[in-house]
Amino acid sequence: GENVEQHPSTLSVQEGDSAVIKCTYSDSASNYFPWYKQELGKRPQLIIDIRSNVGEKKDQRIAVTLNKTAKHFSLHITETQPEDSAVYFCAASTTSGTYKYIFGTGTRLKVLA
Amino acid sequence: GAVVSQHPSRVICKSGTSVKIECRSLDFQATTMFWYRQFPKQSLMLMATSNEGSKATYEQGVEKDKFLINHASLTLSTLTVTSAHPEDSSFYICSAIGLAGGGDTQYFGPGTRLTVL
Repeated sequence: GENVEQHPSTLSVQEGDSAVIKCTYSDSASNYFPWYKQELGKRPQLIIDIRSNVGEKKDQRIAVTLNKTAKHFSLHITETQPEDSAVYFCAASTTSGTYKYIFGTGTRLKVLA
Repeated sequence: GAVVSQHPSRVICKSGTSVKIECRSLDFQATTMFWYRQFPKQSLMLMATSNEGSKATYEQGVEKDKFLINHASLTLSTLTVTSAHPEDSSFYICSAIGLAGGGDTQYFGPGTRLTVL
């Protein structure tokens, strides 16, 4: 079945450094790729998304890149701040039918002050 | 815009009882709602997809007779955990898709933490 792999599972960076989280998906029909930030005990918050007709998208300190051929997409956070510390999930979805998301396993990011 | 509420936020119940969780889209009509379960330090696992007025589609391994889903209107879906047992203790999160956000963005509710004693 469909699968999304996410790496690394934990990531510690110094404040001000960059963080990169990578995901690989298996379903070649996937065409929508959101990234969510989840703080402990709270709902996932959409931070950025990308569709398959675009290779890169940026929003201030956050960027996402997509390589459709390799079925890879990555989240880049620059100038990290302690408040960026959270669990980040990638997801892949097909926009045919029910828009079902397949989530990655999550990355726990710690930004050290 | 695109706010999803969930009630209750926390519930503690005795083993064998049933618990109902409500998910509402407050400012948009949700064509589809999803129910997820999240165990500690794990990812979100999709349980079922529900469309208004039709039967829910359950993921493999999810018992439809145990997790009853009713999508009564375009703004309300309910999940009932029947005969709950301690292993059902988890964080249950709903999400909704509507015309907001391009039609394929899921907006999540705040979650319900269920503890079964």
